[in-house]
Amino acid sequence: DIQMTQSPSSLSASVGDRVTITCRASQPIGTYLNWYQQKLGRAPKLLIYAASSLKSDVPPRFSGSGSGTDFTLTIDSLQPEDFATYYCQQSFSAPPMYTFGQGTKLEIK
Amino acid sequence: QVTLKESGPVLVKPTETLTLTCSVSGFSLTNTRLGVAWIRQPPGKALEWLALIFSHDEKSYSASLRSRLTISRDTSRSQVVLTMTNVDPVDTATYFCARTHISPPGTFDYWGQGALVTVSS
Repeated sequence: DIQMTQSPSSLSASVGDRVTITCRASQPIGTYLNWYQQKLGRAPKLLIYAASSLKSDVPPRFSGSGSGTDFTLTIDSLQPEDFATYYCQQSFSAPPMYTFGQGTKLEIK
Repeated sequence: QVTLKESGPVLVKPTETLTLTCSVSGFSLTNTRLGVAWIRQPPGKALEWLALIFSHDEKSYSASLRSRLTISRDTSRSQVVLTMTNVDPVDTATYFCARTHISPPGTFDYWGQGALVTVSS
């Protein structure tokens, strides 16, 4: 299986800050990388697919980049509603054997 | 409007079989470009992909759980069913179903609210 490792595991930031979350794959996955946001007690929401494509209803302060094994999710000008846990997920495996990172919890400083 | 909703037992005893149903609306299970996946999340832990099914009946399973999982669909009822045999307390989790695509593959763009299943005697 392809292992996905996120860093940091948790992060404290303030409203208005710019934050970056990193995701590393155990082998190259091209740009088959998705990012999700999950708030406590809720289902995850897709933010970014194919490493850098923003889902249509997601604010443009979210952006993704990377290819191969190293990827980043950046949130510009944090808003109160952005405090949540973020997961990366690889969709490279064929036949499908999709895996998620362990999550990054973004908390208010 | 795309919606998915999970249903099933809240409590299951160890060694029993768990059956979960995902009822979908706003898209068709016969759409050749769409599928439905199951993903679970133990309390306080990360997400784990379990299985998926596409309209042409292509099915895929997590390698670690393959021997215990079966995914099927009933297009007339717009439902996808996941069965898990021989459950154990470590299978206690919130189980989500989610819509996925042929392309880009493995992208889960709509999710159900989740169903919490506890495995305990």
